[in-house]
Amino acid sequence: KAGVTQTPRYLIKTRGQQVTLSCSPISGHRSVSWYQQTPGQGLQFLFEYFSETQRNKGNFPGRFSGRQFSNSRSEMNVSTLELGDSALYLCASSLGQGRGYTFGSGTRLTVV
Amino acid sequence: DQQVKQNSPSLSVQEGRISILNCDYTNSMFDYFLWYKKYPAEGPTFLISISSIKDKNEDGRFTVFLNKSAKHLSLHIVPSQPGDSAVYFCAASAIAGGGADGLTFGKGTHLIIQP
Repeated sequence: KAGVTQTPRYLIKTRGQQVTLSCSPISGHRSVSWYQQTPGQGLQFLFEYFSETQRNKGNFPGRFSGRQFSNSRSEMNVSTLELGDSALYLCASSLGQGRGYTFGSGTRLTVV
Repeated sequence: DQQVKQNSPSLSVQEGRISILNCDYTNSMFDYFLWYKKYPAEGPTFLISISSIKDKNEDGRFTVFLNKSAKHLSLHIVPSQPGDSAVYFCAASAIAGGGADGLTFGKGTHLIIQP
């Protein structure tokens, strides 16, 4: 059974640019959530999608957005990148109901 | 305001001994708790979970204890092995609320197993 796949693994972008990260959940999982990990703040919840609907969003500015497709794959987008957006972005999938999250290996974003 | 706190940034334990990692939470709506293990440049790996209706859950060398009145949980690893060296995250969720707020994580404890 394939795990959660995130692409790309590494990304370097310039301040002011935008970036799109992709996440393919485990087959059959309809819930996809995104987290940002930084050394100072730890793992922080960005948002969660279930059946193409955003159910909730963490305390992040509107520059962070996402979507989920009918096949449950999800993308997150960050516009007008700032140096502080440099982080490991993790995607997790689950069957729903807030339990049994399986994480991908993450996308390491560096903003220069 | 940190709702899930892991007050020990690091912990060093001798191989073969017991490792005890602690976690405190403040949100009384949390009713499901998880422990994840993380190596650098990898995503967290699920270890063990516990529902608030229980006070103990065991899985092999890993046992999680929950004290609801104290809003405290701990992860015991017995015996500790070199491969256990990693960062351990405590996480909490409000299942009754549909879990739509995602997981709230502590900042992690770096466990180092000394040979």
